[in-house]
Amino acid sequence: AQKITQTQPGMFVQEKEAVTLDCTYDTSDQSYGLFWYKQPSSGEMIFLIYQGSYDEQNATEGRYSLNFQKARKSANLVISASQLGDSAMYFCAMREGNAGNNRKLIWGLGTSLAVNP
Amino acid sequence: DAGITQSPRHKVTETGTPVTLRCHQTENHRYMYWYRQDPGHGLRLIHYSYGVKDTDKGEVSDGYSVSRSKTEDFLLTLESATSSQTSVYFCASRGWGSTDTQYFGPGTRLTVL
Repeated sequence: AQKITQTQPGMFVQEKEAVTLDCTYDTSDQSYGLFWYKQPSSGEMIFLIYQGSYDEQNATEGRYSLNFQKARKSANLVISASQLGDSAMYFCAMREGNAGNNRKLIWGLGTSLAVNP
Repeated sequence: DAGITQSPRHKVTETGTPVTLRCHQTENHRYMYWYRQDPGHGLRLIHYSYGVKDTDKGEVSDGYSVSRSKTEDFLLTLESATSSQTSVYFCASRGWGSTDTQYFGPGTRLTVL
């Protein structure tokens, strides 16, 4: 079974509007972390935002925020005031268990976002 | 962002030839990773390292080997390249922190003819 599910293969948004990219996860661990990465057409993987399972507040980084709903096991990325440069592939990933040691990340298959002018 | 470089950035090779990809980081990160990225499969972990000379297999390790003789360098070797190994290869590294955030290199596009 998929541990990280990104149900939207492709999304469109109008410039300056907000957009939500969905991510649901499956884990039995109480301690875990959730990540979002951006991959523009140039190919590099850029870390955007992190949410720990014990963090009480939703993470925010500039125009990016993470809508963390623990009971629903969802960690949706919200991009406010979309810009043309936000057009990219977005990946959700999860670390199971506590930070440290040899923890690997589990990756979703990504959502392609296109921002229209 | 971590200083991570990969070389070469692009390579075309023939089936059956050995290929070595290099990842170099300047952050003194203990952990390093090699992934491959293919359409429809997302990122898949090939091998990772948790210290000098300490490595372990990921989910798609067959046909690949790695070595880490220095903290800053992590080498990925395809002993005898096959067309199924045509892919984009990413290296990542992370330090010991509260989040385990991995930082990625720019990627290497490998084509095996």
